[in-house]
Amino acid sequence: QKEVEQNSGPLSVPEGAIASLNCTYSDRGSQSFFWYRQYSGKSPELIMSIYSNGDKEDGRFTAQLNKASQYVSLLIRDSQPSDSATYLCAVFTGTASKLTFGTGTRLQVTL
Amino acid sequence: SAVISQKPSRDICQRGTSLTIQCQVDSQVTMMFWYRQQPGQSLTLIATANQGSEATYESGFVIDKFPISRPNLTFSTLTVSNMSPEDSSIYLCSVVSVAELSYNEQFFGPGTRLTVL
Repeated sequence: QKEVEQNSGPLSVPEGAIASLNCTYSDRGSQSFFWYRQYSGKSPELIMSIYSNGDKEDGRFTAQLNKASQYVSLLIRDSQPSDSATYLCAVFTGTASKLTFGTGTRLQVTL
Repeated sequence: SAVISQKPSRDICQRGTSLTIQCQVDSQVTMMFWYRQQPGQSLTLIATANQGSEATYESGFVIDKFPISRPNLTFSTLTVSNMSPEDSSIYLCSVVSVAELSYNEQFFGPGTRLTVL
């Protein structure tokens, strides 16, 4: 079982719709959870961090965490073509003291 | 967040040679890391660069192949030694700043795209 799992996509959503990106993780001791956006040919950019169960909103982005289900998600409201990118889920585990990345979900926002 | 630069941004190298990649941060940071991202893949941690001591390598990565230095709190180098085409990849440094230490937020440099012929 992979430590951090994401669907590779592509996930295609029309402009203006809500994009929902999902991630599961295997280590129950994981403490911190992150979403990175990576445009083609660019380095990852941190867009959301979440540390406790529930929702965290920042502009059009909402991160959701459910530690009991070992599940973290990212919602993008009013999706724009500029949101088209690969979204990487990353999980920090204190015991390993490192960030583990999922394989990423490619999002395509269509006009 | 800290501004991170990497040199070179890209390079094409011959098999058997070595390349040193530099990572410079505009402010002191607590943690520095080196990652590799192979074409179409996610990020794999190579090592944690420790200031003033030997780097901590992840399974599958060894010091002889990827020597790392970190002489101070703002600078680190990664050398890819005796390169083969399998080393063709993007190499990224990342940092955790003092302010973000308790949050474990990592920020990435722009990356170095390496092609080995």
